[in-house]
Parts: sequence; C-alpha cells; structure tokens
Amino acid sequence: SQQGEEDPQALSIQEGENATMNCSYKTSINNLQWYRQNSGRGLVHLILIRSNEREKHSGRLRVTLDTSKKSSSLLITASRAADTASYFCAPVRGETSGSRLTFGEGTQLTVNP
Amino acid sequence: KAGVTQTPRYLIKTRGQQVTLSCSPISGHRSVSWYQQTPGQGLQFLFEYFSETQRNKGNFPGRFSGRQFSNSRSEMNVSTLELGDSALYLCASSLWGWETQYFGPGTRLLVL
Repeated sequence: SQQGEEDPQALSIQEGENATMNCSYKTSINNLQWYRQNSGRGLVHLILIRSNEREKHSGRLRVTLDTSKKSSSLLITASRAADTASYFCAPVRGETSGSRLTFGEGTQLTVNP
Repeated sequence: KAGVTQTPRYLIKTRGQQVTLSCSPISGHRSVSWYQQTPGQGLQFLFEYFSETQRNKGNFPGRFSGRQFSNSRSEMNVSTLELGDSALYLCASSLWGWETQYFGPGTRLLVL
C-alpha cells in the first residue's frame, strides 16, 4: 500500500513548544508530501521531500526522511495557536502513479494558547 | 496565480438525485484529482484526470464519474445519491500529478 500512516493520532501542546509528527509507509517512493488541513477546509501543501533528500526546511517546519526505515517526521518549532490543524503525509511512488495520494487518518495537533 | 476553485461550495440533495461538482485548476495545471472526505472513511481518492483522460481511479462504485475538458476544468458527477455520499469533496491540481498538489476549498454535499 502507498498509504502513509501518521503517528500520533492526536497531539496537544502549549504555544511555543515544538511538535513532532511521524509518518510511516510501506513502498518505495519518489517523494513524500506533507499537508495541513484546518477544520473542514481544503488541504494546504507544506513540504515535498524527494527520496534522495534527507532533510528539508521551510520556515518553522523541518521534515526528515529515512528511506531505509520508510519513515518521515515533521517538526514544527515554536508552535502557535494557528498551527492547530490535522496533518497528513502522502508518500508518492513515482511518475506512473500520477496524483493518487493516499492519506492516513492524520495527526490532529492542538496548540493551546 | 489564482488558486483552485470549486463550485458550488455547499449543496443539499435528496436520496436518488444526481449532482455535478465543478473544479477549476490552477492555470497551466493538467492534472486534476478528486477526493472524498468523511468522518468515518477519512480522505479517499476518487479519480485523476490528466489531459482529458482518466489516469487513475480509486475504489468507488460506478455512480461516481468525472470528466475533464480541454481547458483542464473538471467535473465529477454522482448519480443516484445515497445518504453515505454526504461528504466534503476536494479537488486538487498539479502540473504533472506526482508532485505538489494544490487543493481547492471543497464542496460540502449533504444528502437527505
């Protein structure tokens, strides 16, 4: 299965703390993508990390990828209340798989002010 | 660039009716995908269209269909609506399909 499985299912932290979410998958990949979804809205793309990359940064976000363990992690530093959302990872096998993103249940992050 | 737009944003239908949802991708994007999100099943892939051809299909019954026009705009149709079709329907566009997906705000469908 190409599906990513996020862990933990729920995470509650205080504003200013760091939040770490993990993603595991089972197949070889071309890239892995992280998305955020605020309640009842569309998904927002956060970061795409390719299989030949080990770490990528974007603002307060840091994503790591370990293809040998088939896992990825998303770190949000200095969290804010506005970071409260569901976070999903989506492993992508390659060009032939097209845009078929398969999502797990996501990690529900709550940042308390 | 304008983002992905979906119309309508909200829709109420009754069982047995059919519905058509529309998605306008980001200009230049050739891939449009559709997803269904429900509390019980989560986010599920419906299908993808690329250059007017269905390239990928999820595990949904034939009541769910779609098409893509030459300007890359896409429509999805659900016939003979069931209560379980109540969901948030999201479309996403990308240049080629396997890279960053840009999602629209969704259409929330309620079937009574």
